[in-house]
Amino acid sequence: DTEVTQTPKHLVMGMTNKKSLKCEQHMGHRAMYWYKQKAKKPPELMFVYSYEKLSINESVPSRFSPECPNSSLLNLHLHALQPEDSALYLCASSQERRKSMKYPNEKLFFGSGTQLSVL
Amino acid sequence: GENVEQHPSTLSVQEGDSAVIKCTYSDSASNYFPWYKQELGKRPQLIIDIRSNVGEKKDQRIAVTLNKTAKHFSLHITETQPEDSAVYFCAASLSDYKLSFGAGTTVTVRA
Repeated sequence: DTEVTQTPKHLVMGMTNKKSLKCEQHMGHRAMYWYKQKAKKPPELMFVYSYEKLSINESVPSRFSPECPNSSLLNLHLHALQPEDSALYLCASSQERRKSMKYPNEKLFFGSGTQLSVL
Repeated sequence: GENVEQHPSTLSVQEGDSAVIKCTYSDSASNYFPWYKQELGKRPQLIIDIRSNVGEKKDQRIAVTLNKTAKHFSLHITETQPEDSAVYFCAASLSDYKLSFGAGTTVTVRA
């Protein structure tokens, strides 16, 4: 299985709603990521989990709350979002780096994304 | 942090011709350079990558070259086909989980 699956594919929510995005991979990857992508722009890193622990938070507003329940699952909880948060949210995974390796494997596999619209 | 510049922003080629996209990076410590292809409404897909200990890598019609001295790397697509039409992103990594992406190149292959 070389897939990263995300649900839902599309989501429309109001500014007072609470919703969650879900991501699952069964490639044995121990690093999982959330990216945000605006139309015609490159993906922007939001969060990185390594071995189920939050490793990187790129100064993301607290209205976005990540969660990694186990090594295969990654969630992104959304609350009180703004219209400017409308974007494609991409989950990704990769093999965990072994720092002893000079050139650690960093191949990043993206999910198909959730297209989020905030009204 | 790392800064990656990508050119051109758009590229139109006749089917069968070659396409070349160039990227420059700022941090000489970067050691991993992947290329992603993103079709409209789809996920970014890794198409080829190269590490700093290698100067060139080829996979069928796609090749990537790296010039560490000049800090630039390029994607070459030969014998382009309509299905090569997509946005292509280059990226560079300092091995800290963070990929610094270029702004993207929209490639259109004319039939």
